[in-house]
Amino acid sequence: AQSVTQLGSHVSVSEGALVLLRCNYSSSVPPYLFWYVQYPNQGLQLLLKYTTGATLVKGINGFEAEFKKSETSFHLTKPSAHMSDAAEYFCAVTPYSSASKIIFGSGTRLSIRP
Amino acid sequence: NAGVTQTPKFQVLKTGQSMTLQCAQDMNHEYMSWYRQDPGMGLRLIHYSVGAGITDQGEVPNGYNVSRSTTEDFPLRLLSAAPSQTSVYFCASSREEGAHYGYTFGSGTRLTVV
Repeated sequence: AQSVTQLGSHVSVSEGALVLLRCNYSSSVPPYLFWYVQYPNQGLQLLLKYTTGATLVKGINGFEAEFKKSETSFHLTKPSAHMSDAAEYFCAVTPYSSASKIIFGSGTRLSIRP
Repeated sequence: NAGVTQTPKFQVLKTGQSMTLQCAQDMNHEYMSWYRQDPGMGLRLIHYSVGAGITDQGEVPNGYNVSRSTTEDFPLRLLSAAPSQTSVYFCASSREEGAHYGYTFGSGTRLTVV
């Protein structure tokens, strides 16, 4: 069965520092991979996705993620954090065998220190 | 475009009451789904639909019913509310069955069952 593990339920960084949110998945074949962001009292918004092709994926708001098959990872990064990045971030995976079912990780809350 | 609209935004129910959470999308998306979000557990799929007249169960379907009579609407019914159903509910839609397109989420319904 597919699963998604997000390391760290809460990450705190200083404004201007590197943001690194970790995501690992379990799958016998590479799935489709996603990062979603949820701002307070809002629904989830697609940040970026990996389906096929280039393993480094760029998303909105300066975020990017790299698919590493050998490590079964899809970590999210941003070189310089802004206060507006404070939100909850969800990694998600869709297995090829059942493309309608997306499986979410438990989420990582990102806080930004002034 | 309004995207995905959920009503109500907030609701308090007494144990045993029934209610319907509304979800409507104006993007002509075939695929629609309902999730519940609980602290530390990410999002869990309740029910989904791949088109009008077709629905299927997700990970946590017990206590919930759905129907899809039109492409636009996908209501979620709580048959007899229980405190364990206190949660935030999100409706999501996608262009086709295939989550690799990415989902569009509504802003959520916060439900409290007392």
